[in-house]
This record gives sequence, C-alpha cells and structure tokens, in this order.
Amino acid sequence: EIVLTQSPGTLSLSPGERATLSCRASQSVSSSYLAWYQQKPGQAPRLLIYGASSRATGIPDRFSGSGSGTDFTLTISRLEPEDFAVYYCQQYGSSPVTFGPGTKVDIK
Amino acid sequence: EVQLVESGGGLVQPGRSLRLSCAASGFTFDDYAMHWVRQAPGKGLEWVSGISWNSGSIGYADSVKGRFTISRDNAKNSLYLQMNSLRAEDTALYYCAKDRGLAAAGYFDYWGQGTLVTVSS
Repeated sequence: EIVLTQSPGTLSLSPGERATLSCRASQSVSSSYLAWYQQKPGQAPRLLIYGASSRATGIPDRFSGSGSGTDFTLTISRLEPEDFAVYYCQQYGSSPVTFGPGTKVDIK
Repeated sequence: EVQLVESGGGLVQPGRSLRLSCAASGFTFDDYAMHWVRQAPGKGLEWVSGISWNSGSIGYADSVKGRFTISRDNAKNSLYLQMNSLRAEDTALYYCAKDRGLAAAGYFDYWGQGTLVTVSS
C-alpha cells in the first residue's frame, strides 16, 4: 500500500500568514488522485481539494493544492481564524486508499 | 442537503459483535459508493471498508479483513458495518462517508458525524 508522510507535524503561524503543508507518497500516486481534508476538534473531516488541485464545492480560493507523482502541497494563502485545524492528505489512486498522519496548524 | 447519520455504536466487550448503520439522505444513494472510515481517540484517519453502488465491489483494510462485513440496502438508503470478534484496537469513532463516484475507489465528499465504538472489558 502507498504510505503518505506529512510535514511538518505541527505548523505554528499567525492569522494572515501563509501556510504550506507537504504530503509525500512512498510511490507515485496515479493520475494525481490526491485529496486534502480539514478537521476541526469535535467535527468530521471536510473535503478541501481533490485531484491534487481542484477545490471542492464551497471551499475558499485561499486554499490551493499542487503537485504530482510523489510530492504534493496544500497552501493556505492567508490564514483566517477558522483555518486553524488538522489537515490530512489521502491518496485514492491505488487500493487501499490511505491517509497521511496529519499536520496540525495552530495559532502562534 | 446531503446527510449521513451513523448509529449503533457503544461499549462492547472484546470478542463480541456490533452492527453499525448509516442512514443517508439528500442524494441518490444508489448512484454512489460508500465507505466506513475510523479514527481512534487522538489519532488520525483510517479507511476501514468500502462498497460500490451495487455491492459488486467490496474492499477491507487488512486490520479488519475476516472480522468486519460491509453491506448496503439501496431500498432503505442505508449502509451497514457488521463488526465481529472486536478487539481493543477497534476502539474508534466510526464515520460513514460518501464516495464521489460509483466505484469504491475515490475521495470522500461528505461525512457523517460518527458513532463511537469502545471495546473494553
């Protein structure tokens, strides 16, 4: 199975700053089948990005995804207070689908 | 509005069984694959099982293969997870999640709020 590694484990930033989250796969993710989710405490995950770079319905354009092969990035251009959360990447290019361990973005 | 409502969780002893249900509404249920994803307390997300729109394709994580069975009833807009021979490491919040397509091989565009399963003596 494809193992996903996310870095950093925790990112401490201030509102208004730019956040760059990394997701690296142990082997190439076919067709850029990579998604990103946001999870806040006590809530279910919410889909942000699919296909490595396509924003899900209703997701603000400050969220963007990029990458291909084994290296993917989620960028939040200017952090809003509601963006402090845990972010997971997920690959769905091969079975079984797998998730990364998550990156926590917290307030500096 | 898409809604996924899980039920059936609770406290169960090791080795016993539990059946989870997920009631779906707000979309054409039999047009989409469905999944169960779990999250142990304070941990990350783990895909458990997925089922295609017509139950023709089913998959399980190695950690539950042979113990859990996923099923669906399209007439009732419902998804199920039969969990047998439960272990302490199965303790988690179990989410029902909708796939983006027919086959159980995609990303998850809607999630329920989860039902908590605690395996302990």
